[in-house]
Amino acid sequence: GEDVEQSLFLSVREGDSSVINCTYTDSSSTYLYWYKQEPGAGLQLLTYIFSNMDMKQDQRLTVLLNKKDKHLSLRIADTQTGDSAIYFCAESGNAGNNRKLIWGLGTSLAVNP
Amino acid sequence: ETGVTQTPRHLVMGMTNKKSLKCEQHLGHNAMYWYKQSAKKPLELMFVYNFKEQTENNSVPSRFSPECPNSSHLFLHLHTLQPEDSALYLCASSQEGGPGYEQYFGPGTRLTVT
Repeated sequence: GEDVEQSLFLSVREGDSSVINCTYTDSSSTYLYWYKQEPGAGLQLLTYIFSNMDMKQDQRLTVLLNKKDKHLSLRIADTQTGDSAIYFCAESGNAGNNRKLIWGLGTSLAVNP
Repeated sequence: ETGVTQTPRHLVMGMTNKKSLKCEQHLGHNAMYWYKQSAKKPLELMFVYNFKEQTENNSVPSRFSPECPNSSHLFLHLHTLQPEDSALYLCASSQEGGPGYEQYFGPGTRLTVT
């Protein structure tokens, strides 16, 4: 079945860039998402990318998609302590049951002052 | 604030109790979801409602009973739960036909079954 994999932990220093990686197996993925979960809170959609794009930038966030390798990354520039959270990668298809999101386990980002 | 509210935020219940979780979305969406989030496991989709009709039930035990009286409200009725049902229960909503069907989540209900 479909699978999404992420490394579980990442630690960076404040001010550095963070890069969170994700791989997926579903070749029919249409949308790929990054969600953020802060302690005690639900998941917040950060950004998503359509599969015919290879890059999307939104302020400090840059998403890179390598569709051939089924690899997605999220780069956070100038990482701040407020960016400490769990980041989830998810993918979905375009129609019918493919709208169901397939989730990774989440990458816990720790930002050290 | 995502426009999706959940109550209660925390719930402790015994295995013989009956309780309900409530979710309300203020976004005008027409699809709503229940997820279970447990440590070290991917987010588990439990139920999906589109236009008040249940469209997905992912082999969820019958001790969990969803109810969707209208497109803005979703309930999860709980009875005779097991300790392994302790988890964070997340509600989400989305707009059918919206780009990417991105889902908006509530803050969750932290459930502890004793």
